[in-house]
Amino acid sequence: DVQLVQSGTEVKKAGESLKISCKASGYSFSLYWIAWVREMAGEGLELMGIIYPGDSETRYSPSFQGQVTISADTSITTAYLQWSSLRASDTATYYCARMTGDNSLDFWGQGVLVTVSS
Amino acid sequence: DMQMTQSPSTLSASVGDRVTVTCRASQSINTYLNWYQKKPGKAPKLLIYLASNLQSGVPSRFSGSGYGTDFTLTISSLQLEDFATYYCQQSQRIPYTFGQGTKLEI
Repeated sequence: DVQLVQSGTEVKKAGESLKISCKASGYSFSLYWIAWVREMAGEGLELMGIIYPGDSETRYSPSFQGQVTISADTSITTAYLQWSSLRASDTATYYCARMTGDNSLDFWGQGVLVTVSS
Repeated sequence: DMQMTQSPSTLSASVGDRVTVTCRASQSINTYLNWYQKKPGKAPKLLIYLASNLQSGVPSRFSGSGYGTDFTLTISSLQLEDFATYYCQQSQRIPYTFGQGTKLEI
């Protein structure tokens, strides 16, 4: 079965760095794009960016370009989302999801709640 | 960015009702339109892809239609477990933007 298992809840301070993970199993990790999606409390869903693990091609949504870094390690079938300097406004739940050939998101991780205090 | 506008923002309904949610794209997206169900504390769930294709395992009371800029999600007979927030998402042009969501309330 396809599974995406994300790392645990994070509580950080503004200015700190953070890297969260998304461990994939049950399919060929290198052959599917992985997307990262943000959900801020009381807000909707925003696609932050996508990565193709096979060659690490990455595309960012304009709002997130330069704000985060998406990466992947095919040897351990894991994708990452990282920040070099967190802001309070980064407080949100972050999901990873597998992207199909038609660009829909068919399998999702359980989400990671990131809380950043100022 | 492509703008996706859903209506209504909130929809009140009862078990057994037939409900329709609308999604409009700011530009034509052919059939690159997906629908997701989101419950509090849970990951989104893909319901419909490419406008009208039912994702595996999703009950047949869910259906989707549309082409170009106007799309609909229909639930033929609401069940208690269907009360949630529904999002459309265009998947033709990066960034693959979501609508603002439609909250389906009892």
